[in-house]
Parts: sequence; C-alpha cells; structure tokens
Amino acid sequence: QKEVEQNSGPLSVPEGAIASLNCTYSDRGSQSFFWYRQYSGKSPELIMSIYSNGDKEDGRFTAQLNKASQYVSLLIRDSQPSDSATYLCAVGGGGADGLTFGKGTHLIIQP
Amino acid sequence: EAQVTQNPRYLITVTGKKLTVTCSQNMNHEYMSWYRQDPGLGLRQIYYSMNVEVTDKGDVPEGYKVSRKEKRNFPLILESPSPNQTSLYFCASSPRTVGYEQYFGPGTRLTVT
Repeated sequence: QKEVEQNSGPLSVPEGAIASLNCTYSDRGSQSFFWYRQYSGKSPELIMSIYSNGDKEDGRFTAQLNKASQYVSLLIRDSQPSDSATYLCAVGGGGADGLTFGKGTHLIIQP
Repeated sequence: EAQVTQNPRYLITVTGKKLTVTCSQNMNHEYMSWYRQDPGLGLRQIYYSMNVEVTDKGDVPEGYKVSRKEKRNFPLILESPSPNQTSLYFCASSPRTVGYEQYFGPGTRLTVT
C-alpha cells in the first residue's frame, strides 16, 4: 500500500514569512511529485510539480525533492493571507493507478 | 477554456435511489479518475480510466460504477446509494496515463439520507 504522509497542522505562519510544508512517501519507485492547494469546499488546484532531485522554483513557491530520503517539501516565500489553505502532496509513477494523495497540511497565514 | 466539469454540483437524495454524476473534460485527456474526499480521510480514488472502454478499480470502488464510452466523458453511477456515500466527489483528468499531473473538476457534494 503506497502511503504519503503529511503533518495535518494547522501550521501558523506570520504574513511575510516563509511557510515550509513537508511530505514523505513510501514507494521508492515513485517518479512524479505534486503540490496542490485546496481552499475549503473547493477543488484541489495544481501549484507545483517536480520530477528530479533538487529544487524547482516558480514565483514565490519552491518545491524540493530528495528521492534518497523519500521526502518532498514546499516553501512559500513572502506568505500572504490568501495562501491560507490546505496543501496536498501527491505522488505518482510506476503504476497505472495515478496519484496517491496525502491528507494535507492546513496552513494559516496570520496578518 | 480548458476545464473539467461536473454535474450536479450539489445533490441531496434518499437511500436506494439510483443517481449519476456526470464528468466531462475538453482537454482531450486520456486518463480520468473519480475521488471522494471525507474529513480525516483525505482524497481516495474510486475508479480510474486509462482510455475509452478501459476502467479499473481504485481504493474504494464498492457501491460505485463507471463507464467510459467517449474520451471526454466519465460518469459515476451510484445504483443504490447509502448514507455512507455522503461525501464530496471530484472528477479529475490527466494528459498522461501514469503518474502525471491531474486537473480537478469543481466537485459534487452528495448527501444521502
């Protein structure tokens, strides 16, 4: 059974600070890694994808992948109140059954 | 606009009354999937489809059926809904068949009384 683990939070971060979200996964054969943002009652929205070890930056977001440690992280710089949401880590690859999602980390940005 | 659409968005029904939730995508994606999301349990995959006429069970398929007669449509059928199927349902599609990014529809909130 593939597993994706996230701290459920809530993670409270002051506005303007860096928010750091973490995720670990169990399947060493995983090849693709995603971060989704989900506002309450809304659908998950893809914000970052990463496929190889290292960092990938997109605006205020940086995804980090360490396959040896089976660890994925998301950094949000200059956090804004609009970043308050649940962040889902998703892992895929190696099988025909799509993505496995973590249960999400609830992030609160305090003004 | 590239999108995944679902209908209805909200549905209240009674136990045993058959219902269908439609899902359609206009991105020519081969892969489509259904999830349910429940508090504390996260997103769980119900069924997925690699292509037309190819469907397979996900993690929680009991009580659900799907069909994929056309590439763009992937309806979810509850033939005899029960209260434990009360949930928030999402359809998603992906341009690749294995492990690639998925794009979600707006969701259908289903209540079975």
